[in-house]
Amino acid sequence: AQSVTQPDIHITVSEGASLELRCNYSYGATPYLFWYVQSPGQGLQLLLKYFSGDTLVQGIKGFEAEFKRSQSSFNLRKPSVHWSDAAEYFCAVGPQTGANNLFFGTGTRLTVIP
Amino acid sequence: EAQVTQNPRYLITVTGKKLTVTCSQNMNHEYMSWYRQDPGLGLRQIYYSMNVEVTDKGDVPEGYKVSRKEKRNFPLILESPSPNQTSLYFCASSSKGGRQYFGPGTRLTVT
Repeated sequence: AQSVTQPDIHITVSEGASLELRCNYSYGATPYLFWYVQSPGQGLQLLLKYFSGDTLVQGIKGFEAEFKRSQSSFNLRKPSVHWSDAAEYFCAVGPQTGANNLFFGTGTRLTVIP
Repeated sequence: EAQVTQNPRYLITVTGKKLTVTCSQNMNHEYMSWYRQDPGLGLRQIYYSMNVEVTDKGDVPEGYKVSRKEKRNFPLILESPSPNQTSLYFCASSSKGGRQYFGPGTRLTVT
């Protein structure tokens, strides 16, 4: 069965500190992986995606994620967090056929301390 | 501008009163989906459609209906809303193999 686990419900970091948000997935085939960000009261914005190729993918706003097949993980990182990064982050997995049915994790809420 | 629009953005209704949330995309995408977002549960797929007249159930389809008569539109219908359908709803669309574009969301409250 497909599933996405984000083990950290809430993370607090200081501005300027590094960040890593964890995502583990269970999927029957080669997955298509995504990270989305949702600011309070806003919709979902795509940060980055992994389809194939280089396992380290760069996204918008200085984020990157690394696909590790052996660990079934797709962790999101940022070297230096800005106060504007405070939001909720969702990892999602879907089929590479492109069918429009993503499975989402339950999200990680990021708080940034000045 | 490529976009997915949803209407209404906010809706308060009463139990049992049928309602429809519209979704429209201007990108000629084949695939469209509806999700609901609840605290602590993330986004869960309600229904998805792979093309006109082709729809299938997602993870939480109970209490919802959809139709796809035109490529650009994918309305979500609640025939008899109940309080447990109070949620934030997102419509999304994508081309085959492409990323999903999400609408701005519809916040529904059923009293």
